[in-house]
Amino acid sequence: GQQVMQIPQYQHVQEGEDFTTYCNSSTTLSNIQWYKQRPGGHPVFLIQLVKSGEVKKQKRLTFQFGEAKKNSSLHITATQTTDVGTYFCALNNAGNMLTFGGGTRLMVKP
Amino acid sequence: NAGVTQTPKFQVLKTGQSMTLQCAQDMNHEYMSWYRQDPGMGLRLIHYSVGAGITDQGEVPNGYNVSRSTTEDFPLRLLSAAPSQTSVYFCASSPGGIMGTEAFFGQGTRLTVV
Repeated sequence: GQQVMQIPQYQHVQEGEDFTTYCNSSTTLSNIQWYKQRPGGHPVFLIQLVKSGEVKKQKRLTFQFGEAKKNSSLHITATQTTDVGTYFCALNNAGNMLTFGGGTRLMVKP
Repeated sequence: NAGVTQTPKFQVLKTGQSMTLQCAQDMNHEYMSWYRQDPGMGLRLIHYSVGAGITDQGEVPNGYNVSRSTTEDFPLRLLSAAPSQTSVYFCASSPGGIMGTEAFFGQGTRLTVV
């Protein structure tokens, strides 16, 4: 089946710095979802992208879906300590089965 | 609404023991699924169900059984626990739809097999 790769695996930032995580696939994706998991918590849905070149914003978070629908990114502007956690991209397959990327763990120094 | 409820939250098993991880949702969602999460890895799909009476295997089904007798419940059974099954298990549900929809996750069950 299709796989999605995420980079980087870890990212340390100073509070106030920006952060970006990337999700890549060798094949065209029908959609991409993003989830956030706080330490010790469970994944929480952030957004779904389905259109080529789509850009969506949620406050300081900007999500993009590539023109070729083979990559996606999540960008956080001016990180805060509340942004700490692991961010996952996931492909939503038929039957709502999710294929997750490996995740990017974000650590923010106050 | 309680959402997706998993029990127990923590469990320690001895090798060879069997047990059932419970998952219940009160959102009348058609789709339910089980994932395991190992350190440094994303979640991997174990089994899933698209409705009562219908189940299918995911990426890592060996050593696990599921059944879906009602819309609300989707228990995961470990037949004979092995140390390799030490993991965090998440149950998820979603209303379904052609283009996919948001998945709601339970709080997780942290399982240790010794």
